[in-house]
Amino acid sequence: EAQVTQNPRYLITVTGKKLTVTCSQNMNHEYMSWYRQDPGLGLRQIYYSMNVEVTDKGDVPEGYKVSRKEKRNFPLILESPSPNQTSLYFCASSFLPLYSGNTIYFGEGSWLTVV
Amino acid sequence: ELKVEQNPLFLSMQEGKNYTIYCNYSTTSDRLYWYRQDPGKSLESLFVLLSNGAVKQEGRLMASLDTKARLSTLHITAAVHDLSATYFCAVAGGGSYNTDKLIFGTGTRLQVFP
Repeated sequence: EAQVTQNPRYLITVTGKKLTVTCSQNMNHEYMSWYRQDPGLGLRQIYYSMNVEVTDKGDVPEGYKVSRKEKRNFPLILESPSPNQTSLYFCASSFLPLYSGNTIYFGEGSWLTVV
Repeated sequence: ELKVEQNPLFLSMQEGKNYTIYCNYSTTSDRLYWYRQDPGKSLESLFVLLSNGAVKQEGRLMASLDTKARLSTLHITAAVHDLSATYFCAVAGGGSYNTDKLIFGTGTRLQVFP
């Protein structure tokens, strides 16, 4: 079954404590993205990866890092989380670039609360 | 900068009625997605519209794209309670390798009541 798997699904953490949200896809997709969803703002792209070792900033990259050492994994790293990073996070993957109009697969989401 | 506006933000409608959700975007693009999201859930792909004049229908939902007007619509016919959800449109911006992105509208929260 085609899947994008995120972990953890729910996390409450404290300000400044580094955390990583993992994302893994089993479809051999080259293109992966991270989004955050906030009320009234829709989803906003944080980072984007076109292939292994190739990443680019999205619209809201401040406070986040990513890495793409393997095609299937695209972890999101919060080096020093702050309360304004409390949000619902989605990982997504696709076989072709987003502008190609192909199907985009989203993970189940990770609820992150920073206190 | 590509911006996507959806309206209305909230829609409360009676079962059996028809209504349309509008998605306007600010730059040229012919790649438009519609998603459905249930509370606390992921995004479910509804439609991908790939050219001017594209129309797609699935059940009580029909989506269309007018790239000249930079407008997509999601039309709901004879609404039923099961359609209650939040609907997002998203536009693929950039169009080149290093500016590939998906810009989402703010979402329309639809509630269908008896």
